[in-house]
Amino acid sequence: QVQLVESGGGVVQPGGSLRLSCVVSGFNFSTYGMFWARQAPGKGLEWVAFIHYDGGRKYYADSVKGRFTISRDNSKNTLYLQMNSLRVEDMAVYYCAKSGGWDLWRFDIWGQGTMITVSS
Amino acid sequence: DIQMTQSPSSLSASVGDRVTITCRASQGISKYLAWFQQKPGKAPKSLIYATSNLQSGVPSNFSGSGSGTEFTLTISSLQPDDLATYYCQQYNTFPPTFGGGTKVEMK
Repeated sequence: QVQLVESGGGVVQPGGSLRLSCVVSGFNFSTYGMFWARQAPGKGLEWVAFIHYDGGRKYYADSVKGRFTISRDNSKNTLYLQMNSLRVEDMAVYYCAKSGGWDLWRFDIWGQGTMITVSS
Repeated sequence: DIQMTQSPSSLSASVGDRVTITCRASQGISKYLAWFQQKPGKAPKSLIYATSNLQSGVPSNFSGSGSGTEFTLTISSLQPDDLATYYCQQYNTFPPTFGGGTKVEMK
């Protein structure tokens, strides 16, 4: 079945960096766009970044633009999120998600999430 | 960006009750509306896409309707397993945006 497994979360100081990974299985990764989304403690869902199936186009929420970089390695069925210059307000559970195919901007299947804590 | 407004933000209902959650878009999104269920400590799970299409395995007591700017998620007979927070998401226009969520609690 379809599985998305995030890793790389942890505790980091403000201004620090982390790289998240999302390993997928159960579907043809190289033919789907992929998202990162986040959820701050007790808050709702927020789209963070999107990458096209071939990595050719990338999109970012204004809140992370210039600090976060989404990438993918289709040979490894892996999605990444490089997070630099982290802020307290970036603290959240980060989820990777498969897009809905032709429905480019639809979130379809989500991973279990990985927690990022930004604290001094 | 398209703003998605859900109401109510929370509700309390009894087992067997009919529950309706509303999602309003700040501009027309045609049929491009999805619903997600999130249980405490878990990832969101897709319930419905394109306003009314149930994902495989979703119980038939869930249904969706609407078009344009107003949409509803209905649980025809609330079950204990339905306790969760429900989110709508529009995918008609970039960037994708979510409603603020509706927490369903048991009375």
